[in-house]
Amino acid sequence: QKEVEQDPGPLSVPEGAIVSLNCTYSNSAFQYFMWYRQYSRKGPELLMYTYSSGNKEDGRFTAQVDKSSKYISLFIRDSQPSDSATYLCAMKEGGKLIFGQGTELSVKP
Amino acid sequence: NAGVTQTPKFRILKIGQSMTLQCAQDMNHNYMYWYRQDPGMGLKLIYYSVGAGITDKGEVPNGYNVSRSTTEDFPLRLELAAPSQTSVYFCASSYSSVDTQYFGPGTRLTVL
Repeated sequence: QKEVEQDPGPLSVPEGAIVSLNCTYSNSAFQYFMWYRQYSRKGPELLMYTYSSGNKEDGRFTAQVDKSSKYISLFIRDSQPSDSATYLCAMKEGGKLIFGQGTELSVKP
Repeated sequence: NAGVTQTPKFRILKIGQSMTLQCAQDMNHNYMYWYRQDPGMGLKLIYYSVGAGITDKGEVPNGYNVSRSTTEDFPLRLELAAPSQTSVYFCASSYSSVDTQYFGPGTRLTVL
């Protein structure tokens, strides 16, 4: 079993849709949870950073962490074509990041 | 402030050749990392460094070497290139182990 599991998609939605992206993990020691966005042929950039369980909102983006279920989610409201990218979840173990496989999202106008 | 820079952007190697991927950061970050990204596989940590002169292995270090003689630079060396090393390589840096990692634009390497 991989430490971090993420459905690779691809996921295609119409503009304005609510998008839900998810990851599951097996290591209960993870405390820091991140979502990175990666545009085609670019490096990943940090989108959301959450410590322990709970919700965090930033504009159209909401990150949720449920440590009891070992499940994290990223919600995108009112999705835009500019949101088309690969979204990678990541979790921190000591100083190292463990990444999921990434979900490729396409938002169609 | 250029952030994290990587050179070259693209490279094609023949089996058995060697090369060094360059990475530099101008943010005075202590921590630097090398990842490889294969299609549909996320990023895997190759090596990391917590400061000049200190390096350690990540998840997939075989076939690679690193050194860190300065705070700014963290080159990755491939000694005997193999087709399995065909990948996109990303360098990243952070101020500390709990701070955000900032990524460079990547180097696309093909080994034929």
